[in-house]
Amino acid sequence: DAKTTQPNSMESNEEEPVHLPCNHSTISGTDYIHWYRQLPSQGPEYVIHGLTSNVNNRMASLAIAEDRKSSTLILHRATLRDAAVYYCILRPYYGQNFVFGPGTRLSVLP
Amino acid sequence: DAMVIQNPRYQVTQFGKPVTLSCSQTLNHNVMYWYQQKSSQAPKLLFHYYDKDFNNEADTPDNFQSRRPNTSFCFLDIRSPGLGDAAMYLCATSREGTDRGNYGYTFGSGTRLTVV
Repeated sequence: DAKTTQPNSMESNEEEPVHLPCNHSTISGTDYIHWYRQLPSQGPEYVIHGLTSNVNNRMASLAIAEDRKSSTLILHRATLRDAAVYYCILRPYYGQNFVFGPGTRLSVLP
Repeated sequence: DAMVIQNPRYQVTQFGKPVTLSCSQTLNHNVMYWYQQKSSQAPKLLFHYYDKDFNNEADTPDNFQSRRPNTSFCFLDIRSPGLGDAAMYLCATSREGTDRGNYGYTFGSGTRLTVV
């Protein structure tokens, strides 16, 4: 299984940017980087994904290091509703099933 | 909106009494997954269907079975629930094809199972 490591927890103040890191030093050239988040008592929901280039969508931005061994999920202005567990998952081109690591529990302080 | 729906949201069952959880999807995705998530843990894959082909994870207990009668529905059967099977059960779907890694999953809201 492709491995990722994330901090167990992070804290942010409301309306400030949040940078959630993920290390994936054994990533292969065809692995996509996916980010999901899970709000309390909900199923995981898609946030963003990418392969090599940085990606932006309405929820977040994904910054991928040039060597692809790490990535950062950026929430531009954290809200209380962003408090969740964030999972960084690698998925190969040929499609290994999603394997969840422990993720990062983000707390947002008012 | 196209989505993945799990019923019921909460299920209470008796120790040893068979229970079935259901999942339906309107996305027409060809792969459906069942994950088990225990309290404060990450989701753990139990098995998945790729079209009609069933794929069991090596460490999934025999107590867990699944059925997929058609593209839209998938069921999780727990034959004899034990106290250790209390968890959130998550259904997910995915569209598969070439460049499979580029496709993500759509999850349902989950069914929280309590065993008494």
